[in-house]
Amino acid sequence: EPEVTQTPSHQVTQMGQEVILRCVPISNHLYFYWYRQILGQKVEFLVSFYNNEISEKSEIFDDQFSVERPDGSNFTLKIRSTKLEDSAMYFCASSESLQNYGYTFGSGTRLTVV
Amino acid sequence: GENVEQHPSTLSVQEGDSAVIKCTYSDSASNYFPWYKQELGKRPQLIIDIRSNVGEKKDQRIAVTLNKTAKHFSLHITETQPEDSAVYFCAAIGTSYDKVIFGPGTSLSVIP
Repeated sequence: EPEVTQTPSHQVTQMGQEVILRCVPISNHLYFYWYRQILGQKVEFLVSFYNNEISEKSEIFDDQFSVERPDGSNFTLKIRSTKLEDSAMYFCASSESLQNYGYTFGSGTRLTVV
Repeated sequence: GENVEQHPSTLSVQEGDSAVIKCTYSDSASNYFPWYKQELGKRPQLIIDIRSNVGEKKDQRIAVTLNKTAKHFSLHITETQPEDSAVYFCAAIGTSYDKVIFGPGTSLSVIP
């Protein structure tokens, strides 16, 4: 079964540093998403991406965050200057179309900001 | 924007009993309601979903019901097993139809 893959599985970074989280969506999927989950809390929407541009973003997704699809396979989330409160599990997801809403989530990247 | 509430936050049942998790949503335009199961340290996995043109859907021991008038939907798990223990999230498609909004989750424990 096709999978969404994320790397790294765990990233530790110092406060103020930039991090890039990487995702490889399922190859025929056109819609890409980032969600985050602070430990013990719910899954929160960050951003959706379609046709090489952001289609929607949440209040969490401020100027410190950016997304990019640098080539035909990768989808990245960059946090420019990490804060302690950015520590969370970050999940990438992809979807084939807006008519097929079943997201496939990646296995996640645990980001720890120290 | 869409807001999804979920109850209870924790639920313990004896193995073999049924478990029911209830959710409400705020946006009457929402028309897709997935349920995700998340085991400790793992990704959320879609277990069942329902669209607004049906009132009930069943898949083996799992069923979901939807009441669009009341903006309620529920997950029913029958004959629970220890491996059903996990956090369950209900969700609803947002008004933009471009994102899924999750409820706060229900931690289900099935006691052998």
